Amino acid sequence: GDSVTQMEGPVTLSEEAFLTINCTYTATGYPSLFWYVQYPGEGLQLLLKATKADDKGSNKGFEATYRKETTSFHLEKGSVQVSDSAVYFCALSDPGGTNAGKSTFGDGTTLTVKP
Amino acid sequence: NAGVMQNPRHLVRRRGQEARLRCSPVKGHSHVYWYRQLPEEGLKFMVYLQKENIIDESGMPKERFSAEFPKEGPSILRIQQVVRGDSAAYFCASSQQGMDSPLHFGNGTRLTVT
Repeated sequence: GDSVTQMEGPVTLSEEAFLTINCTYTATGYPSLFWYVQYPGEGLQLLLKATKADDKGSNKGFEATYRKETTSFHLEKGSVQVSDSAVYFCALSDPGGTNAGKSTFGDGTTLTVKP
Repeated sequence: NAGVMQNPRHLVRRRGQEARLRCSPVKGHSHVYWYRQLPEEGLKFMVYLQKENIIDESGMPKERFSAEFPKEGPSILRIQQVVRGDSAAYFCASSQQGMDSPLHFGNGTRLTVT
């Protein structure tokens, strides 16, 4: 079945540091890939997405490129801020196999940015 | 535009009682999903529904748990005879049709079983 593997956390960075959170996936078909962010006490919010190979999703300074050859969708940001502290989830939505119609999530990576 | 509305935000039940969690999807969304999140853990898929139909309930325990999404009204996740292990945050999400459509999440219902 489908699966998403995320870099284990927690990740602690200083403000303005470079961020990478690794994400790799296994899927039956040709999935769409997503990054969601969850702030304390809230639900998940879509951060960015990519729907086909070599697509780059970007939002609020975050970027991720859909790499089919390495089955990866790593999240990057050049300069993090304290307000980026949150839990980040990588997810896929796969039309193939038995998982059609539902998203599969990684376990989440907690990011803490210190001033 | 109202997003996904879940209620209640917090629910406390004693062991053996029933818990009913409600979710109103984004207007126009016909796909509803329920996920469970345990403390310090990721999201675990429970059930996927379209109007009046359960599409995939592979993540939902076969006993005590049920879900519905009627033609009119919110989606309901029902947990009968709750146990301490049911304590978690339960998130509802909705989407439009199509695999490219992202999920829109509610703020969750935090269930505590005492």
